Amino acid sequence: DTGVSQNPRHKITKRGQNVTFRCDPISEHNRLYWYRQTLGQGPEFLTYFQNEAQLEKSRLLSDRFSAERPKGSFSTLEIQRTEQGDSAMYLCASSATGRGSPLHFGNGTRLTVT
Amino acid sequence: AQSVAQPEDQVNVAEGNPLTVKCTYSVSGNPYLFWYVQYPNRGLQFLLKYITGDNLVKGSYGFEAEFNKSQTSFHLKKPSALVSDSALYFCAVRDPEDTGRRALTFGSGTRLQVQP
Repeated sequence: DTGVSQNPRHKITKRGQNVTFRCDPISEHNRLYWYRQTLGQGPEFLTYFQNEAQLEKSRLLSDRFSAERPKGSFSTLEIQRTEQGDSAMYLCASSATGRGSPLHFGNGTRLTVT
Repeated sequence: AQSVAQPEDQVNVAEGNPLTVKCTYSVSGNPYLFWYVQYPNRGLQFLLKYITGDNLVKGSYGFEAEFNKSQTSFHLKKPSALVSDSALYFCAVRDPEDTGRRALTFGSGTRLQVQP
Protein backbone atom coordinates (compact mmCIF):
# COMPACT_ATOMS: atom_id res chain seq x y z
CA ASP A 1 0.00 0.00 0.00
CA THR A 2 1.84 3.03 -1.26
CA GLY A 3 -0.99 5.40 -0.49
CA VAL A 4 -2.75 7.95 -2.67
CA SER A 5 -0.32 10.08 -4.66
CA GLN A 6 -1.09 13.57 -5.95
CA ASN A 7 0.96 15.73 -8.28
CA PRO A 8 2.02 18.43 -8.24
CA ARG A 9 2.13 19.33 -4.54
CA HIS A 10 1.91 23.02 -5.32
CA LYS A 11 0.78 24.96 -8.36
CA ILE A 12 0.92 28.71 -8.84
CA THR A 13 -0.82 30.04 -11.92
CA LYS A 14 -2.09 33.29 -13.30
CA ARG A 15 -5.77 34.01 -13.59
CA GLY A 16 -7.17 32.74 -16.86
CA GLN A 17 -4.69 29.91 -17.28
CA ASN A 18 -5.64 26.24 -17.34
CA VAL A 19 -4.26 23.78 -14.79
CA THR A 20 -4.35 20.01 -14.51
CA PHE A 21 -3.79 17.88 -11.44
CA ARG A 22 -3.12 14.16 -11.30
CA CYS A 23 -4.14 11.57 -8.73
CA ASP A 24 -2.88 8.00 -8.47
CA PRO A 25 -5.13 6.02 -6.10
CA ILE A 26 -4.28 2.95 -4.09
CA SER A 27 -4.01 0.29 -6.77
CA GLU A 28 -6.72 -2.08 -5.57
CA HIS A 29 -9.28 0.72 -4.97
CA ASN A 30 -11.84 1.22 -7.71
CA ARG A 31 -13.53 4.27 -6.19
CA LEU A 32 -11.91 7.67 -6.56
CA TYR A 33 -13.01 11.04 -5.22
CA TRP A 34 -12.02 14.66 -5.63
CA TYR A 35 -12.54 17.22 -2.87
CA ARG A 36 -11.63 20.87 -2.42
CA GLN A 37 -10.59 22.38 0.89
CA THR A 38 -10.16 26.05 1.69
CA LEU A 39 -8.51 27.46 4.81
CA GLY A 40 -10.55 26.91 7.92
CA GLN A 41 -13.12 24.73 6.20
CA GLY A 42 -13.81 21.06 5.86
CA PRO A 43 -13.31 19.35 2.51
CA GLU A 44 -16.09 19.88 -0.04
CA PHE A 45 -17.06 17.06 -2.37
CA LEU A 46 -16.48 17.67 -6.07
CA THR A 47 -16.88 14.38 -7.90
CA TYR A 48 -16.70 10.60 -7.61
CA PHE A 49 -15.70 7.77 -9.96
CA GLN A 50 -16.29 4.07 -9.78
CA ASN A 51 -13.74 2.58 -12.15
CA GLU A 52 -13.86 4.86 -15.21
CA ALA A 53 -17.48 5.98 -14.72
CA GLN A 54 -18.10 9.41 -13.17
CA LEU A 55 -21.14 8.69 -11.02
CA GLU A 56 -21.57 11.83 -8.93
CA LYS A 57 -20.82 15.50 -9.48
CA SER A 58 -21.32 18.31 -7.04
CA ARG A 59 -23.05 21.53 -8.01
CA LEU A 60 -19.73 23.10 -6.99
CA LEU A 61 -18.22 21.60 -10.12
CA SER A 62 -18.78 24.39 -12.62
CA ASP A 63 -18.35 23.89 -16.34
CA ARG A 64 -14.76 25.12 -15.99
CA PHE A 65 -13.94 21.97 -14.04
CA SER A 66 -13.59 18.57 -15.64
CA ALA A 67 -12.39 15.29 -14.24
CA GLU A 68 -11.46 12.08 -15.99
CA ARG A 69 -10.41 8.58 -15.08
CA PRO A 70 -9.83 7.09 -18.48
CA LYS A 71 -8.76 3.56 -17.63
CA GLY A 72 -10.13 3.31 -14.15
CA SER A 73 -6.72 3.90 -12.62
CA PHE A 74 -5.27 7.42 -12.27
CA SER A 75 -7.47 10.49 -12.52
CA THR A 76 -6.98 14.07 -13.67
CA LEU A 77 -8.79 17.21 -12.60
CA GLU A 78 -8.59 20.15 -15.00
CA ILE A 79 -9.62 23.70 -14.25
CA GLN A 80 -9.99 25.97 -17.24
CA ARG A 81 -9.76 29.75 -17.15
CA THR A 82 -8.76 29.78 -13.49
CA GLU A 83 -10.14 32.43 -11.15
CA GLN A 84 -8.75 33.66 -7.84
CA GLY A 85 -11.63 31.92 -6.10
CA ASP A 86 -10.27 28.59 -7.31
CA SER A 87 -7.31 28.94 -4.94
CA ALA A 88 -7.61 26.00 -2.56
CA MET A 89 -6.20 22.61 -1.65
CA TYR A 90 -7.47 19.93 -4.01
CA LEU A 91 -7.66 16.55 -2.35
CA CYS A 92 -7.97 13.16 -3.99
CA ALA A 93 -9.11 10.05 -2.15
CA SER A 94 -9.75 6.43 -3.01
CA SER A 95 -11.64 3.60 -1.39
CA ALA A 96 -12.55 -0.02 -1.80
CA THR A 97 -16.13 -1.01 -2.60
CA GLY A 98 -17.00 -2.62 0.74
CA ARG A 99 -19.88 -1.21 2.75
CA GLY A 100 -18.76 1.99 4.39
CA SER A 101 -15.18 1.58 3.21
CA PRO A 102 -13.24 4.60 4.46
CA LEU A 103 -11.63 7.07 2.12
CA HIS A 104 -7.84 7.22 1.96
CA PHE A 105 -6.67 10.72 1.13
CA GLY A 106 -3.60 11.98 -0.64
CA ASN A 107 -1.64 14.97 0.64
CA GLY A 108 -3.33 17.27 -1.85
CA THR A 109 -2.36 19.81 -4.50
CA ARG A 110 -2.32 23.39 -3.32
CA LEU A 111 -3.43 25.77 -6.07
CA THR A 112 -2.71 29.48 -5.89
CA VAL A 113 -4.21 31.69 -8.57
CA THR A 114 -2.62 35.14 -8.79
CA ALA B 1 -29.71 17.12 2.30
CA GLN B 2 -27.14 15.70 4.68
CA SER B 3 -25.20 18.04 6.95
CA VAL B 4 -22.74 17.91 9.81
CA ALA B 5 -22.14 20.42 12.59
CA GLN B 6 -19.04 20.70 14.73
CA PRO B 7 -20.01 23.39 17.23
CA GLU B 8 -16.53 24.02 18.65
CA ASP B 9 -13.81 25.62 16.54
CA GLN B 10 -11.22 24.67 19.14
CA VAL B 11 -10.98 22.35 22.11
CA ASN B 12 -8.23 22.75 24.70
CA VAL B 13 -7.36 19.95 27.09
CA ALA B 14 -4.46 19.13 29.38
CA GLU B 15 -2.36 16.07 28.63
CA GLY B 16 -3.68 13.05 30.48
CA ASN B 17 -7.21 14.40 30.73
CA PRO B 18 -10.15 12.95 28.80
CA LEU B 19 -11.17 14.74 25.62
CA THR B 20 -14.42 15.07 23.70
CA VAL B 21 -14.88 16.59 20.26
CA LYS B 22 -18.53 17.12 19.42
CA CYS B 23 -20.40 16.32 16.21
CA THR B 24 -24.08 16.38 15.30
CA TYR B 25 -25.53 15.36 11.97
CA SER B 26 -28.62 15.55 9.84
CA VAL B 27 -29.33 12.89 7.22
CA SER B 28 -32.26 10.90 5.88
CA GLY B 29 -32.31 7.31 7.04
CA ASN B 30 -29.51 5.53 8.82
CA PRO B 31 -26.25 7.40 8.38
CA TYR B 32 -22.72 6.27 7.86
CA LEU B 33 -20.55 8.40 10.18
CA PHE B 34 -16.81 8.94 10.16
CA TRP B 35 -14.06 10.80 11.98
CA TYR B 36 -10.89 11.94 10.25
CA VAL B 37 -7.81 13.73 11.58
CA GLN B 38 -5.61 16.17 9.67
CA TYR B 39 -2.07 17.04 10.69
CA PRO B 40 -0.35 20.15 9.25
CA ASN B 41 0.47 19.85 5.54
CA ARG B 42 -0.90 16.33 5.43
CA GLY B 43 -3.96 14.66 3.99
CA LEU B 44 -6.81 13.47 6.12
CA GLN B 45 -6.38 10.20 7.98
CA PHE B 46 -9.28 7.90 8.84
CA LEU B 47 -9.85 7.35 12.57
CA LEU B 48 -13.08 5.39 12.90
CA LYS B 49 -16.55 4.84 11.50
CA TYR B 50 -20.06 3.86 12.52
CA ILE B 51 -22.14 1.84 10.07
CA THR B 52 -24.40 -0.27 12.26
CA GLY B 53 -24.30 -2.29 15.45
CA ASP B 54 -22.73 -1.27 18.75
CA ASN B 55 -23.14 2.43 19.41
CA LEU B 56 -19.61 2.70 20.79
CA VAL B 57 -16.99 2.29 18.11
CA LYS B 58 -13.26 2.10 18.65
CA GLY B 59 -10.68 3.40 16.25
CA SER B 60 -7.05 4.28 15.75
CA TYR B 61 -4.73 5.82 18.35
CA GLY B 62 -7.05 5.03 21.27
CA PHE B 63 -9.95 7.12 19.98
CA GLU B 64 -13.57 6.05 20.23
CA ALA B 65 -16.90 7.57 19.32
CA GLU B 66 -20.44 7.12 20.54
CA PHE B 67 -23.36 7.08 18.13
CA ASN B 68 -26.55 8.53 19.68
CA LYS B 69 -29.49 8.28 17.33
CA SER B 70 -31.95 10.22 19.49
CA GLN B 71 -29.55 13.16 19.80
CA THR B 72 -28.20 12.73 16.25
CA SER B 73 -24.69 12.95 17.62
CA PHE B 74 -21.41 11.17 17.07
CA HIS B 75 -18.94 12.63 19.56
CA LEU B 76 -15.27 11.66 19.43
CA LYS B 77 -13.64 10.72 22.72
CA LYS B 78 -10.36 9.61 24.19
CA PRO B 79 -9.82 8.69 27.86
CA SER B 80 -6.35 10.26 28.15
CA ALA B 81 -5.12 12.94 25.74
CA LEU B 82 -1.58 13.11 24.39
CA VAL B 83 0.24 16.20 23.15
CA SER B 84 0.64 14.35 19.83
CA ASP B 85 -3.16 14.26 19.47
CA SER B 86 -3.09 18.00 18.73
CA ALA B 87 -4.50 18.31 15.20
CA LEU B 88 -7.60 19.22 13.22
CA TYR B 89 -10.50 16.77 13.53
CA PHE B 90 -13.32 16.37 11.03
CA CYS B 91 -16.62 14.59 11.42
CA ALA B 92 -18.25 13.35 8.21
CA VAL B 93 -21.54 11.76 7.19
CA ARG B 94 -22.58 9.74 4.17
CA ASP B 95 -25.85 8.34 2.90
CA PRO B 96 -26.31 4.58 3.29
CA GLU B 97 -25.04 2.22 0.59
CA ASP B 98 -28.43 1.58 -1.01
CA THR B 99 -28.87 5.22 -2.00
CA GLY B 100 -26.05 5.00 -4.51
CA ARG B 101 -24.64 8.28 -3.24
CA ARG B 102 -21.06 8.10 -2.07
CA ALA B 103 -20.21 11.71 -1.31
CA LEU B 104 -18.96 12.37 2.21
CA THR B 105 -20.14 15.62 3.77
CA PHE B 106 -17.59 17.02 6.21
CA GLY B 107 -18.00 19.35 9.15
CA SER B 108 -15.97 22.52 9.41
CA GLY B 109 -13.45 20.91 11.73
CA THR B 110 -12.39 21.27 15.36
CA ARG B 111 -8.85 22.09 16.31
CA LEU B 112 -7.71 20.05 19.29
CA GLN B 113 -4.92 21.55 21.34
CA VAL B 114 -3.43 19.34 24.06
CA GLN B 115 -1.25 21.21 26.53
CA PRO B 116 1.66 19.47 28.28
